[in-house]
Amino acid sequence: LAKTTQPISMDSYEGQEVNITCSHNNIATNDYITWYQQFPSQGPRFIIQGYKTKVTNEVASLFIPADRKSSTLSLPRVSLSDTAVYYCLGPSRRALTFGSGTRLQVQP
Amino acid sequence: DVKVTQSSRYLVKRTGEKVFLECVQDMDHENMFWYRQDPGLGLRLIYFSYDVKMKEKGDIPEGYSVSREKKERFSLILESASTNQTSMYLCASSPAPGGYTFGSGTRLTVV
Repeated sequence: LAKTTQPISMDSYEGQEVNITCSHNNIATNDYITWYQQFPSQGPRFIIQGYKTKVTNEVASLFIPADRKSSTLSLPRVSLSDTAVYYCLGPSRRALTFGSGTRLQVQP
Repeated sequence: DVKVTQSSRYLVKRTGEKVFLECVQDMDHENMFWYRQDPGLGLRLIYFSYDVKMKEKGDIPEGYSVSREKKERFSLILESASTNQTSMYLCASSPAPGGYTFGSGTRLTVV
């Protein structure tokens, strides 16, 4: 099971781009990296998943370098509603393991 | 949209009671999971199931059991509730590892 490390918290202002980096040193060759978002009193919600290079959807972009030992979730032009906890998930053959995540606070 | 429905949003139970938390999914997913979430500890895996009548222990199974008699339903059972089981309980389902859909959670208080 690949252990992931990400910052505990980050602060930003509306309209800024936010980048959250996660390290995953033991990732296996065929593992994907997945990011989830969680608002208070709700279950986590899938944001994006990638294997290498760059993946983009309507919510975020995910950058994974060639060595795949880290990944960066990029949220363009954040708004107050992006205040949430973001989880980078370690791949697992059994079930996903969630760490404590990164608490993003977006200020006006 | 996949829906994962947890039977109760809030529950208050007494110490020693047997508690059932129900979870139903409507997309024919093989995999179902129970997590608990506590402040500062993130989500911790209690039990999961890859098939009907199949179950595997997660990271913190002590004090819990599960039942999966039908594919769409995965129940978490607290045999004798204790105050340290006061928590937010989250159920999830997926067609494969990754791509989880979570329910809204059940906030359980044991008094």
